[in-house]
This record gives sequence, C-alpha cells and structure tokens, in this order.
Amino acid sequence: NAGVTQTPKFQVLKTGQSMTLQCAQDMNHNSMYWYRQDPGMGLRLIYYSASEGTTDKGEVPNGYNVSRLNKREFSLRLESAAPSQTSVYFCASRRTADGYTFGSGTRLTVV
Amino acid sequence: QKEVEQDPGPLSVPEGAIVSLNCTYSNSAFQYFMWYRQYSRKGPELLMYTYSSGNKEDGRFTAQVDKSSKYISLFIRDSQPSDSATYLCASGRSGNNRLAFGKGNQVVVIP
Repeated sequence: NAGVTQTPKFQVLKTGQSMTLQCAQDMNHNSMYWYRQDPGMGLRLIYYSASEGTTDKGEVPNGYNVSRLNKREFSLRLESAAPSQTSVYFCASRRTADGYTFGSGTRLTVV
Repeated sequence: QKEVEQDPGPLSVPEGAIVSLNCTYSNSAFQYFMWYRQYSRKGPELLMYTYSSGNKEDGRFTAQVDKSSKYISLFIRDSQPSDSATYLCASGRSGNNRLAFGKGNQVVVIP
C-alpha cells in the first residue's frame, strides 16, 4: 500500500520556468491538499480539493494552480517559478474526519 | 492570530527524560486534535488522534486536550534518541475539510 506518492522528489528550476508537481493516493480518500513548508513558517496550505471536481484556495495560492484530475490524483502547477517559491512541498489526503496522510515531499529550488 | 499556536522553539532533553509539548487553539468549535511527528527530510506522520477532551495514551506517548482552556499537550515518557523529530499539533472540526496546524517544535533527545 503506497499511501500518498509525490513526484519528483527534488527539482531545480530557473526563474520563469514552469513545472507540475504530481500527487497520487491509493486510499480512496475524498480530500487532497497541497502545502508548502518553510523554516519558521510551518505548513501553509496552498490549495485543497474537498472532493473530485472541486478545488479551493488556501492561505498562499498566488503563483500556483491545481488540477484534481480524478479521485486519486491532484497536481500542483507553477506557471512561472520565482525564487520565493523555493520550498518543500507536501501533498496530503484525508478521509472524512481522520488525520491527513502526507507524501514524502518535493524539495524545489528556484534559482 | 493563527487558529493554532505552537511555540516553535527547539527543545533538547537527555535520553530518558519526559518531553512536554504544548499548543493553544482559538476556535472553540474544534473537536478533534492531533499530533504529527516529522523526521528530517520526511513528511509528517500522524502520531496521536484525540476526539474532544481528555487523555489518550499509546505506549510512551500521552496526548491531553483541555477544551476549557483550549490547550493541547503531548508527553513523551522515557524519551529515546529515535524520538528526535519535529512535532506538530493540529486541530479541526466536523464539516470543515481543513486542519489548522501549529508551526512545530523540534525535539532533540541527547544520548
């Protein structure tokens, strides 16, 4: 049972480049989330999807877009990367009132 | 004011000591309370889950919730070097898909 799988694990981008972070879960969870984690800032919610076909903004959505492709997959896209988007990105999923299950993260550096 | 406050200061303790971690929350509607453990360069993993007030014990770990004072605690007895990690508290309520996270406490257990 893989849980939540994120790809890639590491990425270096140049300013202005675009990329998509992929996330897939195999637990039949309804809700999925994208967070970024920065030193001293904790986890900050970028976007979430309460169920297939819906997406909503979190605390820090600017510069990002998401797609809930199906119940399993939730992708995060950076259209024009900026150094301020250097961070560790975590995808998570959740059944109703349970805790989140997190992926192992993507370390992104924008130079 | 963040919904969940956690003093992010690092904590170093000798092996065998009791580790005490605390959070406060502001939303009186919160019903469930969690602690996550995050090892370096890994995603957070659910450690303890408590619904409403009271204590929950799991081995060396005890989670306490005092809803009257909006206080969440985690105690680790007989701490081990393998307990060295960052611990994040989180809270949520029914009907809301999002959890509110504290910033996390880094704990170092010194052999």
